[in-house]
Amino acid sequence: NAGVTQTPKFQVLKTGQSMTLQCAQDMNHNSMYWYRQDPGMGLRLIYYSASEGTTDKGEVPNGYNVSRLNKREFSLRLESAAPSQTSVYFCASSEAYSQETQYFGPGTRLLVL
Amino acid sequence: QKEVEQDPGPLSVPEGAIVSLNCTYSNSAFQYFMWYRQYSRKGPELLMYTYSSGNKEDGRFTAQVDKSSKYISLFIRDSQPSDSATYLCAMSASDSNYQLIWGAGTKLIIKP
Repeated sequence: NAGVTQTPKFQVLKTGQSMTLQCAQDMNHNSMYWYRQDPGMGLRLIYYSASEGTTDKGEVPNGYNVSRLNKREFSLRLESAAPSQTSVYFCASSEAYSQETQYFGPGTRLLVL
Repeated sequence: QKEVEQDPGPLSVPEGAIVSLNCTYSNSAFQYFMWYRQYSRKGPELLMYTYSSGNKEDGRFTAQVDKSSKYISLFIRDSQPSDSATYLCAMSASDSNYQLIWGAGTKLIIKP
């Protein structure tokens, strides 16, 4: 039982490049989330998916897109990376209507030069 | 002003001490209060979850909510070096639409 997995663990991009961060969970959870974590800022919600087939914007969605591929997988895409998107990205999942209890992946460290 | 304020620390205490970690908040609609623990270079994990006011105890950990003061605390008794981590508070209202509001986290160091 792997929980929440994320790939890659670390990535360096040049400004303007695109990439997709992958996330998968094996807990049969309905809801999934993408956060970014910056020093002194805490966790900020980028997008979430309450259930398969739905996605909604969080606090900081600009510059990102998401796809809920199926119940297990939720990907985050940066179409044209900017240095301001340098951050640690976490994917999380929870049971439906239980957003207080979220299970997090190990994170992806992204550096945009 | 941020909705949730949390002293970033670091807070350094000797092993065996009682630790008090705190968050203050401004939104009186918050009803769900969580403490997550995050080890270095790992994802956060839920430690304690409290609904509305009162205390909740789990082993060496006690979570306390004072809604009248808009103040929550996490107490750790008999602190251990393995408790060294960053502690994040998080909150939500009943109509929060899946969004938790997070504190910035307090880094705790337990010295052997």
